[in-house]
Amino acid sequence: AQSVTQLDSHVSVSEGTPVLLRCNYSSSYSPSLFWYVQHPNKGLQLLLKYTSAATLVKGINGFEAEFKKSETSFHLTKPSAHMSDAAEYFCVVSGGATGNQFYFGTGTSLTVIP
Amino acid sequence: EPEVTQTPSHQVTQMGQEVILRCVPISNHLYFYWYRQILGQKVEFLVSFYNNEISEKSEIFDDQFSVERPDGSNFTLKIRSTKLEDSAMYFCASKIRQGRNEKLFFGSGTQLSVL
Repeated sequence: AQSVTQLDSHVSVSEGTPVLLRCNYSSSYSPSLFWYVQHPNKGLQLLLKYTSAATLVKGINGFEAEFKKSETSFHLTKPSAHMSDAAEYFCVVSGGATGNQFYFGTGTSLTVIP
Repeated sequence: EPEVTQTPSHQVTQMGQEVILRCVPISNHLYFYWYRQILGQKVEFLVSFYNNEISEKSEIFDDQFSVERPDGSNFTLKIRSTKLEDSAMYFCASKIRQGRNEKLFFGSGTQLSVL
C-alpha cells in the first residue's frame, strides 16, 4: 500500500528565509512522488516529481526536493521564501493497480511573513 | 500550459437533490479522474475513467455516484441524492497516458455545499 505523511500542517517563515516542508512516504515498491501546490481559488499545480532518476529533483519557482530512500523521505525545500509562495502544499505518491491512483498527504499550509 | 476546466466553482444544493459537476479535461488526454477534499481532510481518490468506462474506483464511490463522458470534451460527476457529508471540494484531473510516473493535471475544483 502507498501513503504519505506530511509532518507539519502549518509552516510559517519570514520572507527571504529558507523553506522546509516535510514528507515521509510508504510504498511497497519504488515510488513515484510528487509535490503539488494549491493557491487560493486555484487548481493543484505540479511543482516537481521524482520518478527514480536523480534523487535531487528541481522544480518550478526555485523549489527542489530530495528523495532519501533510507529515510523514506521526500522533503520540499527552497532557499529563500517569497511572498507568492504562501499556499497549501501537498506531497503525493502514485500507486494503485494500474499506477493511476494518487495518494495525497494532508497538506502543509505555508505562511510567508513580510 | 493547458488547463482542466471545472464548472461551477461553487454549488449549493439541498440534501437529497441531484447535482452534476462538470469538467473539461485537456483535449488530448485519455485518463480522467475525480478526487474530493472534505474540509480539513486529505484529498481522496474517487474514480478513474478510461476508454468510456470506469477503470478504478474507491470505496467512497458508491451507487449514488456516477461518471459520464457525454461527448468528446466533457467529463461529469453526478451525485444522485446528496447527503450532508458530500460537502467537499471536488477536483477533476486528467493525464495523457497511464502509469505512475505521469503527472496529473488538476482543475481548480468545485466547492459543493449540501444544506
